[in-house]
Amino acid sequence: EDKVVQSPLSLVVHEGDTVTLNCSYEVTNFRSLLWYKQEKKAPTFLFMLTSSGIEKKSGRLSSILDKKELFSILNITATQTGDSAVYLCAVGTGGGADGLTFGKGTHLIIQP
Amino acid sequence: GAVVSQHPSWVICKSGTSVKIECRSLDFQATTMFWYRQFPKQSLMLMATSNEGSKATYEQGVEKDKFLINHASLTLSTLTVTSAHPEDSSFYICSARPQIADNEQFFGPGTRLTVL
Repeated sequence: EDKVVQSPLSLVVHEGDTVTLNCSYEVTNFRSLLWYKQEKKAPTFLFMLTSSGIEKKSGRLSSILDKKELFSILNITATQTGDSAVYLCAVGTGGGADGLTFGKGTHLIIQP
Repeated sequence: GAVVSQHPSWVICKSGTSVKIECRSLDFQATTMFWYRQFPKQSLMLMATSNEGSKATYEQGVEKDKFLINHASLTLSTLTVTSAHPEDSSFYICSARPQIADNEQFFGPGTRLTVL
């Protein structure tokens, strides 16, 4: 059975801090790893990673994948209160019509 | 680009009735759409994969006769919860994968279903 495990489950930091969110996975036929941000409604896409060691960056967010050790991290620097959300890690498998397997998410709270 | 809509946003219905939820990709074509369910404080769980022009593929434990999926066109998939019961109350989210994309999926805003 495919598994995606995120840690920590919950994290509270102060504005301006840097946070690192972790995602490890055990799946058959790995294809890609995706990060989403979920506020009140549906998840919004952040990154898709398919190759090891190549950092993807978008503003203060960055992510990297290690396919040998089967994990990914999502970094957020200079955090702002608007970064408060649940961050979901999901793994896509195969190349066909398979849906994503999601982790339970990390609930991030940024205090002013 | 890559906008997915869902209708309705929320619905309250009586036990025993059926509810239809629509998922549309607004600015791209999607051969594959996915339906997820999310209970409070839980992560998204894949229910089924909807393929245009063919039968949906359901995940283990999801009753295909209860959750009817129709993918009538490259931009529309519908999920009908038949004979809904209070335990079906949940947040239902669809996603769509563009034809040219690999695993990347774009999510709709979700539908909150409450069954009384």
